[in-house]
Amino acid sequence: DAGVIQSPRHEVTEMGQEVTLRCKPISGHDYLFWYRQTMMRGLELLIYFNNNVPIDDSGMPEDRFSAKMPNASFSTLKIQPSEPRDSAVYFCASSLLRTGYGYTFGSGTRLTVV
Amino acid sequence: GIQVEQSPPDLILQEGANSTLRCNFSDSVNNLQWFHQNPWGQLINLFYIPSGTKQNGRLSATTVATERYSLLYISSSQTTDSGVYFCAGAVQGAQKLVFGQGTRLTINP
Repeated sequence: DAGVIQSPRHEVTEMGQEVTLRCKPISGHDYLFWYRQTMMRGLELLIYFNNNVPIDDSGMPEDRFSAKMPNASFSTLKIQPSEPRDSAVYFCASSLLRTGYGYTFGSGTRLTVV
Repeated sequence: GIQVEQSPPDLILQEGANSTLRCNFSDSVNNLQWFHQNPWGQLINLFYIPSGTKQNGRLSATTVATERYSLLYISSSQTTDSGVYFCAGAVQGAQKLVFGQGTRLTINP
């Protein structure tokens, strides 16, 4: 398996622009998570899905952020409009609960908003 | 929500040394996991260990769920062990994994 695949690896955008981050989980995994990592706040859970259904989005900072999972093999995290304080590394992770093997993280997307 | 405290925050060792990293939780957790973030930023899952002891090569982990802590042991350290080690856990019945602030380990040759 190729693991959790995220794209793009790096994104530089201007303030006010729309940004879309993409994630392909491991095939067969039933949970998908979006995390954000910053120096100040560490790793924060933004939202997670179970069987493509959003379960907890309490970590989404504000209405500018939205996430979707239209099918079991694809999820997006969108920021519109983007702001400099959104600059961070965004990670996607997936897991299969009953295996007890824990989360597998993607390589992350480093977002810079100028 | 639960609080996750890791110690020490920083650790600098010579190659070949052993180390113990600790993780304390403010409440009972399940789904306890240890991760290594390498210098390139990749997060690697080391252990899923809600209780008991597991070993994988030079690494082992022990979780004492009743005491709300977990330990990660690294023996015969190598420079490739450098990076940040995170523990994370979720309250019973939840999948919302909360991460600690990490222990930054530097192994010098």
